[in-house]
Parts: sequence; C-alpha cells; structure tokens
Amino acid sequence: QSALTQPASVSGSPGQSITISCTGTSSDIGGYNYVSWYQQHPGRAPKVLIYDVSNRPSGVSNRFSGSKSGNTASLTISGLQAEDEADYYCSSYTSSNTVVFGGGTKLTVL
Amino acid sequence: QVQLVQSGAEVREPGASVKVSCKASGYTFTGYYIHWVRQAPGQGLEWMGWINPNSGGTNYAQKFQGWVAMTRDTSISTAYMELSRLRSDDTAVFYCARERGGSCYYDSWGQGTLVTVSS
Repeated sequence: QSALTQPASVSGSPGQSITISCTGTSSDIGGYNYVSWYQQHPGRAPKVLIYDVSNRPSGVSNRFSGSKSGNTASLTISGLQAEDEADYYCSSYTSSNTVVFGGGTKLTVL
Repeated sequence: QVQLVQSGAEVREPGASVKVSCKASGYTFTGYYIHWVRQAPGQGLEWMGWINPNSGGTNYAQKFQGWVAMTRDTSISTAYMELSRLRSDDTAVFYCARERGGSCYYDSWGQGTLVTVSS
C-alpha cells in the first residue's frame, strides 16, 4: 500500500486560507468516506482535526474543514493563525482493512 | 478521561527486539481497536497495524508482517507492540492510538515511545 500523496509544504500569511490536497486511489480515498486529517506540532503526538471526510470533533476550530472529490481529499484552513504552523497528515481506510497515511505537509505561516 | 500511557524510551542493539506497552484508562479497553504508528526522525507517520483488544485479532501492514507482533492483556488494559530483528533505520517514535469505532480515525494517542537502535 503506497502512501497517499500530499504536497511537501504549503505556506500562507495570517488571515489567509490554504488548502492541502491528499491524493490516493479507488482502493482508499475514492472507495470510502473514512478520510481523516491530523495536525502534529514538533515533539507532540498527532491530533485529529477532521474525520469521515468533513466532520470536526468537538473542540476543533471551525476554521478547519475537509472535503473529497474522487480519489482526492482536501483540508482547508481559513483565517490562518501563527499557531497553525505544524505538520498535517491525511489518512484513509483501505480495501485491505488497513490504514494508509499521507506523506505529510509542512505548513508555514509567513 | 480517555488516556493512553506508553512505556519509556528504549535503546537496543541491531538484531535485538523491543516491546512497547500502551496502558489504557478512562474507557472500556475491549471496546476499541488499538493501532500502532511509527514515525522515524524527521519523517512522516507510518501505519503498522491494529489489534482488536476484545478478540486479540490483528491486522498488520504488509511491510511489517513477520516482523511485528501486537498483543494485549485485558486484565490490565494494556496493548503491546513487539518489533524484532531491529535495524538502525528502525529508530523511531512509536505511537499507539485508539480508533474511534465505526469511523476509522484516532481520537486519542499515546505520548509516543522513542526506540533507538544503535550499536
């Protein structure tokens, strides 16, 4: 199972919006609505931001939103804040009853 | 509150094995799958496999089959991940994570355990 494809890095200025893409196949992202997104700050465990493509757990800011089209999922962060600077990972359930992560995207807030 | 507390950092020589523990509290241990995720230094997250604490059933990523063993002890609400035949490039932080049933996402993570493989 190959890793999902994410851009290595994205950047934006405070207040702007950015979108991180995550591309898989019909055996993972395209076949199931079990896409989730995680935020990881250096030295910390990941934290879930989005699950089931577009749902936010309680306590997660509504500045984070998710969507999916075909084999590609996307995470959008609106109103960028300095604290959003972190690594972001997508993940998906697969047809093999396994899980696959994306390679990760480093977000820089300029 | 839900908590997953992992065992402390380990140092092993190449060829040795390591067993990392993940103690759950704040919920019914047998009700949620536990997954293990590896993160090499400066690298991304890599899914290793899951264990069903109720049945003991497991499913490993193809890369780790024959090399990893996930077990549990329900009497102490603890899951284990053992990795054998360690190599220097196995140096990584290992996380356990609880899968939110029905949605395949992780709503709680352990703090991570650093395993260093060095002679």
